[in-house]
Amino acid sequence: AQKVTQAQTEISVVEKEDVTLDCVYETRDTTYYLFWYKQPPSGELVFLIRRNSFDEQNEISGRYSWNFQKSTSSFNFTITASQVVDSAVYFCALSEAPNNYGQNFVFGPGTRLSVLP
Amino acid sequence: GAGVSQTPSNKVTEKGKYVELRCDPISGHTALYWYRQSLGQGPEFLIYFQGTGAADDSGLPNDRFFAVRPEGSVSTLKIQRTERGDSAVYLCASSSSLAGGYNEQFFGPGTRLTVL
Repeated sequence: AQKVTQAQTEISVVEKEDVTLDCVYETRDTTYYLFWYKQPPSGELVFLIRRNSFDEQNEISGRYSWNFQKSTSSFNFTITASQVVDSAVYFCALSEAPNNYGQNFVFGPGTRLSVLP
Repeated sequence: GAGVSQTPSNKVTEKGKYVELRCDPISGHTALYWYRQSLGQGPEFLIYFQGTGAADDSGLPNDRFFAVRPEGSVSTLKIQRTERGDSAVYLCASSSSLAGGYNEQFFGPGTRLTVL
């Protein structure tokens, strides 16, 4: 069965600090997809990134970067020079390869990030 | 363009009543998902539609929950004999296709259901 663990329930940092959100996953499939979503106080989930299991290249997008390591089944997310607007709940999610019967999409419990001015 | 919309945004009902929650996906999206998010938790998968058919309903907690998508666009999640434990935010998401396994889901704002 697939599972996503986000061990950090809540994190508080001061603005301009760097912060890393951890994500560890479990799956028996060799083909799968990993995602990060942001849920600001308004409630709507915002897609941040998707990574497939065959692409372990790290990615950087502005202040955001992602470190995918299959050896440790981790897909960690780092925000550099955090800002107050980064305050939100961040979810890591796992999707096994879809088949004709559907697609299983599992979210972690989320990490609440508070960036203080 | 318009995103995923859900109505109502809030629904308060009494235990034992029947409720319907509506989802309008992004135009042209063939895949539609329903999730339930309880306070302090991540979204929990309920059901997935590909077109008009429910491709995977393994997440529906029991037979009081049912969802339809008769024309392959709008979907309605129906809950019979509501219980207090059904109180949660119900999220809908849509995506364009399963092509290549790539499936970015776009989420709606959710319907907050409160069962008194």
